[in-house]
Amino acid sequence: QKEVEQNSGPLSVPEGAIASLNCTYSDRGSQSFFWYRQYSGKSPELIMFIYSNGDKEDGRFTAQLNKASQYVSLLIRDSQPSDSATYLCAVKGQAGTALIFGKGTTLSVSS
Amino acid sequence: GAGVSQSPSNKVTEKGKDVELRCDPISGHTALYWYRQSLGQGLEFLIYFQGNSAPDKSGLPSDRFSAERTGGSVSTLTIQRTQQEDSAVYLCASSLAAIGAGNTIYFGEGSWLTVV
Repeated sequence: QKEVEQNSGPLSVPEGAIASLNCTYSDRGSQSFFWYRQYSGKSPELIMFIYSNGDKEDGRFTAQLNKASQYVSLLIRDSQPSDSATYLCAVKGQAGTALIFGKGTTLSVSS
Repeated sequence: GAGVSQSPSNKVTEKGKDVELRCDPISGHTALYWYRQSLGQGLEFLIYFQGNSAPDKSGLPSDRFSAERTGGSVSTLTIQRTQQEDSAVYLCASSLAAIGAGNTIYFGEGSWLTVV
């Protein structure tokens, strides 16, 4: 069974710090990886996607992918209180048609 | 439309009643997905449509759950004989094509179902 694992948190960081969110997946054939942010009571919104090993940067966000270790992470630089939310890692397996989501990591940024 | 539209936004129903949840995807999106999110839990995949057909319905939890899509657009998720464990947010999402190669899914605001 394909699984996506995340530490539920909460992860607490002070404003301005770097927040590091981690995710592992079980399907070695997975090819597409996504990070979504979900505010309480709201639907998930896409932050970033990554397909290739290495780093991908978009503003304050950097996604990192290591397929050999089946590991994907999200770094948030200069964390702001508005970044406080649950971050969902999602993976598309090689044979699957839908995204499989982890249960999410709750991030709290204190001012 | 500009985004994925779902209705109703909130539904309270009595145990044993049937409910229908509607999803109108982003215009031009051929792929449509239903997920379920229970309180404090992750997103549970239910069913995927490509056009009007459902190549993956492996996530439907029981035969009380069914879904259809007509005209390659609007989809309806039906839950028969609702149970209290069906209480959750039902999220619909759509994508331009199959996931991958730059296509990802965009979510609606969800239908909050409470079975009492």
